[in-house]
Amino acid sequence: KAGVTQTPRYLIKTRGQQVTLSCSPISGHRSVSWYQQTPGQGLQFLFEYFSETQRNKGNFPGRFSGRQFSNSRSEMNVSTLELGDSALYLCASSLGVGQGGGPVDEQFFGPGTRLTVL
Amino acid sequence: GDSVTQMEGPVTLSEEAFLTINCTYTATGYPSLFWYVQYPGEGLQLLLKATKADDKGSNKGFEATYRKETTSFHLEKGSVQVSDSAVYFCALSGYQAGTALIFGKGTTLSVSS
Repeated sequence: KAGVTQTPRYLIKTRGQQVTLSCSPISGHRSVSWYQQTPGQGLQFLFEYFSETQRNKGNFPGRFSGRQFSNSRSEMNVSTLELGDSALYLCASSLGVGQGGGPVDEQFFGPGTRLTVL
Repeated sequence: GDSVTQMEGPVTLSEEAFLTINCTYTATGYPSLFWYVQYPGEGLQLLLKATKADDKGSNKGFEATYRKETTSFHLEKGSVQVSDSAVYFCALSGYQAGTALIFGKGTTLSVSS
């Protein structure tokens, strides 16, 4: 079974630009979550989509947005990039059995997209 | 809110040494607890998990026991190998955060031969 794939693996952008990252979950998984990993803040939850609906959201500004398509593939978008947005962005997929308000089932992570903002 | 605290690294060990990485948590109710490992240039891999008190998760020689009384989930391995060199993350999933995983800061393990 193919794992979670993320494209592109590396991106270099300049301040003020916008960027779109893509995530393809494991076949049959309906939940996709996004995390930001930085040396200073560690791993932080951005948002989760389940059946094309945002089910959970972390504490990030509105410049960070996402969506999920009917085939469960997900994209996240960051507008008006800032230097502090430089990070590894990780996508994770799961069956989504755990509903909001309870422990989740296992999440499988992709290799990440390394975003550098100059 | 829910949080995870794990020991600061880096941890440097010789091959075949005993490993302990401490992890404590704060959460309401009964969260699920996880250890993830990240090798250089890769994403996270689930190492082991425990979903209720006194459960012991184990995988590849690593073990961790869910201790409700001490709110801990320490990772142990009896004999580390060079190939275990990686960053280890303790995480929880609880009622407050819903479907989100809450991670500790990570502990870098370096094993030399």
